[in-house]
Amino acid sequence: GAGVSQSPSNKVTEKGKDVELRCDPISGHTALYWYRQSLGQGLEFLIYFQGNSAPDKSGLPSDRFSAERTGGSVSTLTIQRTQQEDSAVYLCASSAARGYEQYFGPGTRLTVT
Amino acid sequence: TQLLEQSPQFLSIQEGENLTVYCNSSSVFSSLQWYRQEPGEGPVLLVTVVTGGEVKKLKRLTFQFGDARKDSSLHITAAQPGDTGLYLCAGTRIKAAGNKLTFGGGTRVLVKP
Repeated sequence: GAGVSQSPSNKVTEKGKDVELRCDPISGHTALYWYRQSLGQGLEFLIYFQGNSAPDKSGLPSDRFSAERTGGSVSTLTIQRTQQEDSAVYLCASSAARGYEQYFGPGTRLTVT
Repeated sequence: TQLLEQSPQFLSIQEGENLTVYCNSSSVFSSLQWYRQEPGEGPVLLVTVVTGGEVKKLKRLTFQFGDARKDSSLHITAAQPGDTGLYLCAGTRIKAAGNKLTFGGGTRVLVKP
């Protein structure tokens, strides 16, 4: 079946603009995660959705970052008033309700100029 | 200081040599995973270990989870150029919400032909 997909694959934006990044998880997966990866480093957790529960937003670096998940499926990560330090690869992952394994999408490379 | 420390950060070896990557923490994890990531792609899960002292083998790759579930190692025998990539360990801490993963900083492996 189809894996996790993300769009766009690359995004270049000017400092101060808002951006939206999209994630389509694996069908049937109830858990969805967003991570940020800077220049070949490890991943930094941002936010976690599980079913209809309130999301775990503990990893969001500032109030410029927000995310929503509509209909328990597609998720959008929004970054308002982008800054150069927001430049990174943003990765989305999904997992089955009680599974340990997370399956990652290819990521969106965000460059803020 | 990262919760999960990986070492070394970079490893360059010749085809046919063996290598070991370490993942250490002062915290206990309920499970630990190893991923490999290639440029422009998301991490791909290699293995999950859940029992202290557990050893898993995947062809030429051997994964070990420490007895106290605070550390893990990945050993590659007779490395091939196709083993080149960024290796990431990631753990689920005890009582972590959902299966939120904490990632190590990664080990970049280069296997030269």
